[in-house]
Amino acid sequence: DTAVSQTPKYLVTQMGNDKSIKCEQNLGHDTMYWYKQDSKKFLKIMFSYNNKELIINETVPNRFSPKSPDKAHLNLHINSLELGDSAVYFCASTSSGSFSSTDTQYFGPGTRLTVL
Amino acid sequence: GQSLEQPSEVTAVEGAIVQINCTYQTSGFYGLSWYQQHDGGAPTFLSYNALDGLEETGRFSSFLSRSDSYGYLLLQELQMKDSASYFCAVVDSSYKLIFGSGTRLLVRP
Repeated sequence: DTAVSQTPKYLVTQMGNDKSIKCEQNLGHDTMYWYKQDSKKFLKIMFSYNNKELIINETVPNRFSPKSPDKAHLNLHINSLELGDSAVYFCASTSSGSFSSTDTQYFGPGTRLTVL
Repeated sequence: GQSLEQPSEVTAVEGAIVQINCTYQTSGFYGLSWYQQHDGGAPTFLSYNALDGLEETGRFSSFLSRSDSYGYLLLQELQMKDSASYFCAVVDSSYKLIFGSGTRLLVRP
């Protein structure tokens, strides 16, 4: 059973287009995240939702808009795609907004976005 | 600012022991996590230290010294499958996970 799933796995698109990435977790977790990993493998948090409520919004261009229809889903919509948006985007989830030795983050398989 | 420093690359021989260090400077600190990521894969959780000392999980151990803002991941009895990138990550005061730039471990036969 897949714990955190993302679609699509690969996304190739032209500059200026609008695209969405979907994420679903079947772990019953309350908190979900979007991370961006660039070509140098630097992993940076973008957004976090706890029970459908936005709790972390890093300095991300407003072309990026997360949406959480329910606590099991967190989608990422990107408007007017730019070359610099090319990266791997990971969704993750954890059981609560705080951390303990048991609150690990479970990552999805990633979506490799290439903007041409 | 927030920063985590770890070596960019480490090479070791199969069966050996390797230590990957991490020093951090962050706004607030709840704990230090370690994640493993194979090429083309997703980060997977290895360990978490909230208190000073050594945590052991099988072949992997993680150490934390809060007073030194320092931790390390120790991998014993290295296997070829351990070749991957290893990230330290700090849970900061707003419960965000701040990742280091990763250490690429290459295990040679």
